[in-house]
Amino acid sequence: QSALTQPPSASGSPGQSVTISCTGTSSDVGGYNYVSWYQQHPGKAPKLMIYEVSKRPSGVPDRFSGSKSGNTASLTVSGLQAEDEADYYCSSYAGSNNLVFGTGTKVTVL
Amino acid sequence: QLQLQESGPGLVKPSETLSLTCTVSGGSISSSSYYWGWIRQPPGKGLEWIGSIYYSGSTYYNPSLKSRVTISVDTSKNQFSLKLSSVTAADTAVYYCARHKRVRGVFNWFDPWGQGTLVTVSS
Repeated sequence: QSALTQPPSASGSPGQSVTISCTGTSSDVGGYNYVSWYQQHPGKAPKLMIYEVSKRPSGVPDRFSGSKSGNTASLTVSGLQAEDEADYYCSSYAGSNNLVFGTGTKVTVL
Repeated sequence: QLQLQESGPGLVKPSETLSLTCTVSGGSISSSSYYWGWIRQPPGKGLEWIGSIYYSGSTYYNPSLKSRVTISVDTSKNQFSLKLSSVTAADTAVYYCARHKRVRGVFNWFDPWGQGTLVTVSS
């Protein structure tokens, strides 16, 4: 099972929006609505930001939103803030009790 | 508030077995609908799911690591453990434990995560 493909980097100015893609196949992202997104600051553990494609856990700002079209899921951060600068990882159920993560995207706030 | 904490040796010799324990506090490891998972992250690289266990002992492993991984649970201590055999330098990573949601037989999200522990494989 190969890792899901994410762009290595993305950036935006404060207040702008940035969208990160997560591309898989019909055997993972395209086949299930079990895509999650995690935020990871340097030296810290990942934090769940989105689950089941578009649901936000309690406490996550509504600036974070998720969607999916075909084999590609997306995370959008609106109203970018300095504290949003971090690495972001997607993950998806991949069938047969397997789970795969994305390659990760570094988001820079300009 | 549920918290997880990894513990174990930070240095393991090549060909030996890596052993880590995750202690769960603020909640019971015997909660229904939740598995307990291990994830690792090599320095400067991405995340890799290792495997997950239910309090009953039911386990699922990443196929790429299955031959070398054993995950076990001790409900009396509210702990679960990871053993990875025949390690090489490629197994050097930060190892995280996390609660793993399973919905209708399908693996879902990880939350919360432990702080992680760096394990270096070197002689």
